[in-house]
Amino acid sequence: DADVTQTPRNRITKTGKRIMLECSQTKGHDRMYWYRQDPGLGLRLIYYSFDVKDINKGEISDGYSVSRQAQAKFSLSLESAIPNQTALYFCATSRDGVSYEQYFGPGTRLTVT
Amino acid sequence: SQKIEQNSEALNIQEGKTATLTCNYTNYSPAYLQWYRQDPGRGPVFLLLIRENEKEKRKERLKVTFDTTLKQSLFHITASQPADSATYLCALEGYSSASKIIFGSGTRLSIRP
Repeated sequence: DADVTQTPRNRITKTGKRIMLECSQTKGHDRMYWYRQDPGLGLRLIYYSFDVKDINKGEISDGYSVSRQAQAKFSLSLESAIPNQTALYFCATSRDGVSYEQYFGPGTRLTVT
Repeated sequence: SQKIEQNSEALNIQEGKTATLTCNYTNYSPAYLQWYRQDPGRGPVFLLLIRENEKEKRKERLKVTFDTTLKQSLFHITASQPADSATYLCALEGYSSASKIIFGSGTRLSIRP
């Protein structure tokens, strides 16, 4: 089984709808992250959490919110989706501390029409 | 602001040759530098980490160098194979346990038979 899973894998939604992307991990890691990836822009950090009680904004948090329900679960919500939120979204985890690699999920391809 | 630059143009290499990818950074003094591989539609996968006090790191056919004076890392794949075709991302991390990893936008590598 995959260490990091994301649901759904693909989603098409309409402008103004609320949508939640879910992430679960079996690595036992404290740290979890949400990124979006757009062509030519690389991975941009939306939100990150260093433990269940610690939630931090990344560089592009506007229009997004998150919830860390448990050590293993970290969900991303788009309160009112807009077309420029169309992107590939990745969840990742890592061990607490520095110099540890990140483990990524398979991604969610989100299209907002 | 912190900036990571990777060649946005795809790199096309003949099978068997050495592929060299470049990662340059500005306004940052990273303690660690990581390289990831990303296949189309999939999450990045960690390859190598090099510390600021290490000049070179090797893993099988991969070699990474880290020059803090030039603010540059080079990523080499020797005896390249078509299966090495992918996008390669570099990522930087600071000294503090509170620091976040910053990703470059990646370079697409294509190995032709």
